[in-house]
Amino acid sequence: GQQVMQIPQYQHVQEGEDFTTYCNSSTTLSNIQWYKQRPGGHPVFLIQLVKSGEVKKQKRLTFQFGEAKKNSSLHITATQTTDVGTYFCAPGAGSYQLTFGKGTKLSVIP
Amino acid sequence: DAGVIQSPRHEVTEMGQEVTLRCKPISGHNSLFWYRQTMMRGLELLIYFNNNVPIDDSGMPEDRFSAKMPNASFSTLKIQPSEPRDSAVYFCASSLHGYTFGSGTRLTVV
Repeated sequence: GQQVMQIPQYQHVQEGEDFTTYCNSSTTLSNIQWYKQRPGGHPVFLIQLVKSGEVKKQKRLTFQFGEAKKNSSLHITATQTTDVGTYFCAPGAGSYQLTFGKGTKLSVIP
Repeated sequence: DAGVIQSPRHEVTEMGQEVTLRCKPISGHNSLFWYRQTMMRGLELLIYFNNNVPIDDSGMPEDRFSAKMPNASFSTLKIQPSEPRDSAVYFCASSLHGYTFGSGTRLTVV
């Protein structure tokens, strides 16, 4: 299945600072999905990117799919304590997402 | 919509015992997935059903694990006999656009 590398594994930021997590694949992806998992919770679907170079925004979150469809990023502007959690990317290879990245665990210091 | 419903939420069992995890997907979602999450291995896909038919079970660890989906509204994941290394959080997810995860079953095998 599709394997992706997510970096960084952990990120500690001061509240108000920006945060970015990256998802890199050695192969071209058909699509990529992003999920957020709060501590003790379950993954929650955030967004799906399909097109090369696609950029989508959800309030303070900006998602980007690379031109070659081999990498993706999630950027959070001015983090808040409610952003705490682990962010996962999940590459698609056809009709379903085979694997999830290991995730980036975000801590926000108030 | 009640979302994906999993039961039980927590299960503690002794090594060697049979464990059955249950999942009710969202009505109308024709894809169902079982995932296992551990600190070491992250989120691992165990099995994927489409229209109640197992499509990909390559992630099922070994013969001790079995999954069924007798109808569109119910699925089970059975472990027999259970071992301490099976301790993890098991998630069920159903999909239309993006996955909707259940709250998970935290399994502890002692």
